Amino acid sequence: NAGVTQTPKFQVLKTGQSMTLQCAQDMNHEYMSWYRQDPGMGLRLIHYSVGAGITDQGEVPNGYNVSRSTTEDFPLRLLSAAPSQTSVYFCASSYAIPGLEQFFGPGTRLTVL
Amino acid sequence: QKEVEQDPGPLSVPEGAIVSLNCTYSNSAFQYFMWYRQYSRKGPELLMYTYSSGNKEDGRFTAQVDKSSKYISLFIRDSQPSDSATYLCAMSGEGSGNTGKLIFGQGTTLQVKP
Repeated sequence: NAGVTQTPKFQVLKTGQSMTLQCAQDMNHEYMSWYRQDPGMGLRLIHYSVGAGITDQGEVPNGYNVSRSTTEDFPLRLLSAAPSQTSVYFCASSYAIPGLEQFFGPGTRLTVL
Repeated sequence: QKEVEQDPGPLSVPEGAIVSLNCTYSNSAFQYFMWYRQYSRKGPELLMYTYSSGNKEDGRFTAQVDKSSKYISLFIRDSQPSDSATYLCAMSGEGSGNTGKLIFGQGTTLQVKP
């Protein structure tokens, strides 16, 4: 099993550009989520999904969209990138709800100029 | 006030020391308490979890939960240089709508010196 994979590993955007961060898991997990990690702020939940076709907002959803058309994939879209979205983004998945053991991907380092 | 507070450190100890990492929280509805370990430039990985109050031991690691004080701890015995990482506490429970949403602390950076 590859676990949770994320692409790209690194990305530099200009203000106003849009992009999609990809996340996929091959563990047949129902629960998937996106976090951002900033210095001194820990991990903050952006959006999460409890199954295909079901998504909901987390703590910091503004400026991000998600969709969940399959169990395996959970892409995160930045609609119009802003410097405040410079961060490290982690995707995670888990089998059970509540997701006690969440498996994290390796992260995407995003810089918005 | 953040729901979960954690001293970011850094914490530097000599090899073999006992390490104590702590978090406080404000939401009394939290029922699940977790510790994640994150090595530099890697994703977090689950180290231990406990449900409600009490202690849990796994090798050199012991997790404690004191719900009356809203305080959780992770103890590392005989610390090793390989324990050098950032340790994040995380919590979940009925207060989060039982959806599995985790609330994380800021993380404490630990360095164990040989």
